[in-house]
This record gives sequence, C-alpha cells and structure tokens, in this order.
Amino acid sequence: QKEVEQDPGPLSVPEGAIVSLNCTYSNSAFQYFMWYRQYSRKGPELLMYTYSSGNKEDGRFTAQVDKSSKYISLFIRDSQPSDSATYLCAMRNTGNQFYFGTGTSLTVIP
Amino acid sequence: EPEVTQTPSHQVTQMGQEVILRCVPISNHLYFYWYRQILGQKVEFLVSFYNNEISEKSEIFDDQFSVERPDGSNFTLKIRSTKLEDSAMYFCASGKTGMNTEAFFGQGTRLTVV
Repeated sequence: QKEVEQDPGPLSVPEGAIVSLNCTYSNSAFQYFMWYRQYSRKGPELLMYTYSSGNKEDGRFTAQVDKSSKYISLFIRDSQPSDSATYLCAMRNTGNQFYFGTGTSLTVIP
Repeated sequence: EPEVTQTPSHQVTQMGQEVILRCVPISNHLYFYWYRQILGQKVEFLVSFYNNEISEKSEIFDDQFSVERPDGSNFTLKIRSTKLEDSAMYFCASGKTGMNTEAFFGQGTRLTVV
C-alpha cells in the first residue's frame, strides 16, 4: 500500500468554481500535512500546512485534515486561471522525511 | 523575499561522470534537504542535513550520493558515477527548524545523464 495516494486528475474547472483536492494516507503516525503548488518545471511552492486534525483557512484556500479517516483536503474558492498548476499533498511524522502524493493537475478555464 | 537558489538550472553529463549540484539555502535556515522528481513521477525524499551531518536518508540515497555544506552558505549534492536512471529534477529545500514543517524549495536542477 502506498504511503500517500492522490488522484492525478487532470481536473478542469471553469473560472470561479470551487475546487476540491484530496489525499489519503496509510501511516497513522503522520502529524504534519502540507499542500504545495507546482508550476511546470518549477519547484514546489508551499501553500498551506496544518498540524494534526482540523481546518486552516488562508484567503481563498482552506486545508482540512481528518486523521480518523486518514484523509486531507484542499479547497480553492473562486478559482482563477492563475491557479492552474499541479497540487501536491505532502506529510510527515516527527522525522524529517516528507512523503508526497503524485500530484493533481488542475486547469482553471477562463 | 528570501528564496532557495540552485545552480545550474540544467546539467547534462555523460554516464559514469560525477556531478555536483549546488544550492544556497535561505540564510537563517538550519535544516537542509535534497529531493528528486523523475519525470512524471512523485517527488521523492533523498536526504536531510542538520548541524553538519545527515539526520535522515532514504533508500535511494546510497553510496553513490553524498552531501556537504562546505561553507556557511552552500549545500551540495554529489552524485558519483552517474547512471541513466539518475536523470531527474533535483530539488533543494531548507527550513528554519526540525519542528517547523515548512520547507521552502528551490527551482530545481534538471540533470540529464546521456
């Protein structure tokens, strides 16, 4: 079983739509959960991180963690064409190693 | 805004040659990482580095690889005797502390082994 599972998409939505991106994981020891955005041939850019279960909001972005279900989500409200990118979930336990999902490719159509 | 910088942006090398990938982490960061991303695959952890020593490494990081912080600003990844399958994007990242889950990534070095 893979440590982190993420639907690769591609996901295509109209401008202004609400986008929901999700990851599941198998390791119950994961405590830190991150979402990165990666544009083509660029490095991952940290969007949000959360510790343990709960919600965190930053502007148009909301991250949710449900540790009981081993499920994390990223919601993007009022999506913009500039949001078009690959979104990577990542997580770690108390160690330094990050475990990434494969990434979901998102296209927001004007 | 401070950022992690990597050089070169693209490196082409012949199979069997040694390459050194260079990174300048954010200046007040103490934890340093190397990751790689083979084209079309997920980002994979290679190694973390703190206090001038390796703190954690993955199975990928075998004797072919080594890291070094030769001075106060650079962090390097050396790959000895490169193989075709070493072709990938290599990302350097840095973070303030080990408890800080935020790691800031550089733009990457694309390594092509021919």
